[in-house]
Amino acid sequence: NAGVTQTPKFQVLKTGQSMTLQCAQDMNHEYMSWYRQDPGMGLRLIHYSVGAGITDQGEVPNGYNVSRSTTEDFPLRLLSAAPSQTSVYFCASSYSGADTQYFGPGTRLTVL
Amino acid sequence: GENVEQHPSTLSVQEGDSAVIKCTYSDSASNYFPWYKQELGKGPQLIIDIRSNVGEKKDQRIAVTLNKTAKHFSLHITETQPEDSAVYFCAARPHDMRFGAGTRLTVKP
Repeated sequence: NAGVTQTPKFQVLKTGQSMTLQCAQDMNHEYMSWYRQDPGMGLRLIHYSVGAGITDQGEVPNGYNVSRSTTEDFPLRLLSAAPSQTSVYFCASSYSGADTQYFGPGTRLTVL
Repeated sequence: GENVEQHPSTLSVQEGDSAVIKCTYSDSASNYFPWYKQELGKGPQLIIDIRSNVGEKKDQRIAVTLNKTAKHFSLHITETQPEDSAVYFCAARPHDMRFGAGTRLTVKP
């Protein structure tokens, strides 16, 4: 199993640009989530999904969209990037919300 | 919503000593409390977790204790080794996962 994979590893955007961070898992997990990690603030939940076709907002959803058309994939979209979205983004998956979460290697995003 | 506070933010110990990291949470509905270890440039990795119907759990040199009345839980690492050096995060889950700010543990040889 590849586990949780994320692409790209690094990305630099200009303010106002859009992009999609990709996340995929091959463990047949129903629950997937996106976090951002900023210095001194731990990980904050952006959006999560309890299964294909179902998504919900987390703690810091503004400026981000998600969709879950398949069990395997959970992309995160930035429609109009802002410098405040400079962060490291982690995708995670688990069988359910109360089971062990497996994290991807992260995407480091810089918005200029 | 749930608020998780973690202390200390940095911790330095000598190899072989014990390390303790403490977290408090605010939402009494929280029922799942995992601990993650994050090494530089990598994603967090689960090291131990505890559910609300259990007071203590051990796995070799690592243990977690939970006090539901006081709403706090702690990570205990005994016989620390240099490879234990990393950032450790606690988390609590009422409906979605909320993380503490992290503790940078340094184990000096």
